[in-house]
Amino acid sequence: DADVTQTPRNRITKTGKRIMLECSQTKGHDRMYWYRQDPGLGLRLIYYSFDVKDINKGEISDGYSVSRQAQAKFSLSLESAIPNQTALYFCATSDGLSYNEQFFGPGTRLTVL
Amino acid sequence: TQLLEQSPQFLSIQEGENLTVYCNSSSVFSSLQWYRQEPGEGPVLLVTVVTGGEVKKLKRLTFQFGDARKDSSLHITAAQPGDTGLYLCAGARYGYALNFGKGTSLLVTP
Repeated sequence: DADVTQTPRNRITKTGKRIMLECSQTKGHDRMYWYRQDPGLGLRLIYYSFDVKDINKGEISDGYSVSRQAQAKFSLSLESAIPNQTALYFCATSDGLSYNEQFFGPGTRLTVL
Repeated sequence: TQLLEQSPQFLSIQEGENLTVYCNSSSVFSSLQWYRQEPGEGPVLLVTVVTGGEVKKLKRLTFQFGDARKDSSLHITAAQPGDTGLYLCAGARYGYALNFGKGTSLLVTP
C-alpha cells in the first residue's frame, strides 16, 4: 500500500464550486504539505503543517484553506474554484528530522471549467 | 520568490550521451535535495547532499554540492531512456519549508 495517498486522483468541476482534496499518510510523519504544479512554474507551496496544531501559509495560499484533522490527515479546500486553479496538486510528508526530505503522494489532477 | 534557479529548463539527448543539470541560488542551504518525477506520478527523492563540496554517486548519477552550499549539480553518465523525467532540486533551510527549483525536463531517446 502507498505511504501517501490522495483522493480524488482526478476531478473536473465548475467555477464557483467548493472542492476538497484529501491526503492521508501511514508514514507516521508530523509534517505535511500541499503543493501545486503548473507547467513552467514548478512546485509551489500552498500550505504546510509541522504538527496537528500548526498551520502555515505558503507562497500561494490565496483562494485555498486547509484542515489538519489528525497527524495522518491533511485536506486542502478550494472554497470557490476558479479556472486558474486548474493544476496538478501534490500532498507531501516529512519527518522534520532528516533534512526535511519529502515523500509525495501520486497527485490530484484538478480541472476547473 | 524563486530562490533556486535550474538550468537548462529542457534537455533532449540521445542514449549514451552525458549531461549536467545545474541548480543555483544566492542563498545558503543546510542541505540540498534532488528529486525525479515521472509523468503521472509524484516526485521521488534521489539524494540529499549536506556538506559543502560533497559528492554523492548513485549508479550513473553524480551529485555535487557547492563549497559555499549555494549550488548543486547533477551529472548523468551514458544516459538511458529510463532516465527520462523531470529533475527537481530543492533547498532546505532550518525552520523553513523546502524551496523547489522549477525543474529540468530530460528526454533521452534511443
